[in-house]
Amino acid sequence: KAGVTQTPRYLIKTRGQQVTLSCSPISGHRSVSWYQQTPGQGLQFLFEYFSETQRNKGNFPGRFSGRQFSNSRSEMNVSTLELGDSALYLCASSPNGGDSGSGFNEQFFGPGTRLTVL
Amino acid sequence: AQTVTQSQPEMSVQEAETVTLSCTYDTSESDYYLFWYKQPPSRQMILVIRQEAYKQQNATENRFSVNFQKAAKSFSLKISDSQLGDAAMYFCAYRSGGFGNEKLTFGTGTRLTIIP
Repeated sequence: KAGVTQTPRYLIKTRGQQVTLSCSPISGHRSVSWYQQTPGQGLQFLFEYFSETQRNKGNFPGRFSGRQFSNSRSEMNVSTLELGDSALYLCASSPNGGDSGSGFNEQFFGPGTRLTVL
Repeated sequence: AQTVTQSQPEMSVQEAETVTLSCTYDTSESDYYLFWYKQPPSRQMILVIRQEAYKQQNATENRFSVNFQKAAKSFSLKISDSQLGDAAMYFCAYRSGGFGNEKLTFGTGTRLTIIP
């Protein structure tokens, strides 16, 4: 099976612009989570989507939004970019979001999108 | 809210030796999972090992093992016979149990260097 893919891998934007990042989960996975990784704040949870619905949300401003499509692919959008939004954005997918009998589903991470805001 | 603390920003170990990375966490929940993830330079994050809170037995995966002390809320990772390919950032992570809890709370990471 192909792994989690993220596009684009690198992106340079200027302050005030908006950006859309894409994540294609492993085939058959229904849950997609997004994380922001910065040297100062580390890895922080943005949100998680399951069956096209946002199920969990982290503590980020409303400029950060996302969605999930019927094929489980997910996009995240950041509007009115700020310098502090420069980061590696990771997505992770898991098979069925924790509703299996075992209660555990491993999350598989993509390579990330490196966003630089100038 | 749950927190995860990794007090060792950097560690180094001689090749073939053993190293232990520390992690403590804080939670009031009884049902949760703990993980160690490895992030090699410019490569994808991968799961190294996981531990279910309800299991008393420490998890092991080949050269990787954990020391899970539930009462002390401690979850350390031991890497035996260290190899050059083990060089990476290691993140300790927490996840609540139950349905629909996919959020991972990460520690700040430990950068592990392997000395040939």
